[in-house]
Amino acid sequence: AQSVTQPDIHITVSEGASLELRCNYSYGATPYLFWYVQSPGQGLQLLLKYFSGDTLVQGIKGFEAEFKRSQSSFNLRKPSVHWSDAAEYFCAVAFLQGAQKLVFGQGTRLTINP
Amino acid sequence: GAGVSQSPSNKVTEKGKDVELRCDPISGHTALYWYRQSLGQGLEFLIYFQGNSAPDKSGLPSDRFSAERTGGSVSTLTIQRTQQEDSAVYLCASSNSGQETQYFGPGTRLLVL
Repeated sequence: AQSVTQPDIHITVSEGASLELRCNYSYGATPYLFWYVQSPGQGLQLLLKYFSGDTLVQGIKGFEAEFKRSQSSFNLRKPSVHWSDAAEYFCAVAFLQGAQKLVFGQGTRLTINP
Repeated sequence: GAGVSQSPSNKVTEKGKDVELRCDPISGHTALYWYRQSLGQGLEFLIYFQGNSAPDKSGLPSDRFSAERTGGSVSTLTIQRTQQEDSAVYLCASSNSGQETQYFGPGTRLLVL
């Protein structure tokens, strides 16, 4: 069955430090890949997506992600985090056929130390 | 333009009562999705609409859950005889034709006492 794994439930980094959030998926082919962010009490906001083409994708708020087919990974990175980046981050995949419903990882909660 | 909207934003109900949750998708989006976010289960798919039809209902957890969509726009998710385990945030998303990015609403937080 298709699945998405975010190994880190909670990460704490200092403001200004670099960030990498991990995401691995299990799927028979290359799916569509997404990163969403959720601030407390809010809905999900799309950070970036990968459908095809260049494996390094740029998103909003200075985030980027790299698709690595050989590792079935789509890790999210940011060179220098800001206190406003504190939130929960979800990796998701969509099937290429049919409804294209999203399958989500369990999320990574990011805390920023001042 | 306006994003996905959901109402109510919060709903408290008693066990056994029926509730209706509403979703207004982005204008022109033909695909609409319902998801549920709960502490124990994370984010899980419930149902998908393309236009007014629901070709994928595989995520509905029981026959107490139903949904409809009218006029290719507004959707209502109905939960009958609510149970405490139905307490969760119900998220709606829409996309253009179901082949593209899904945009999410702010959710309805349901608490069943």
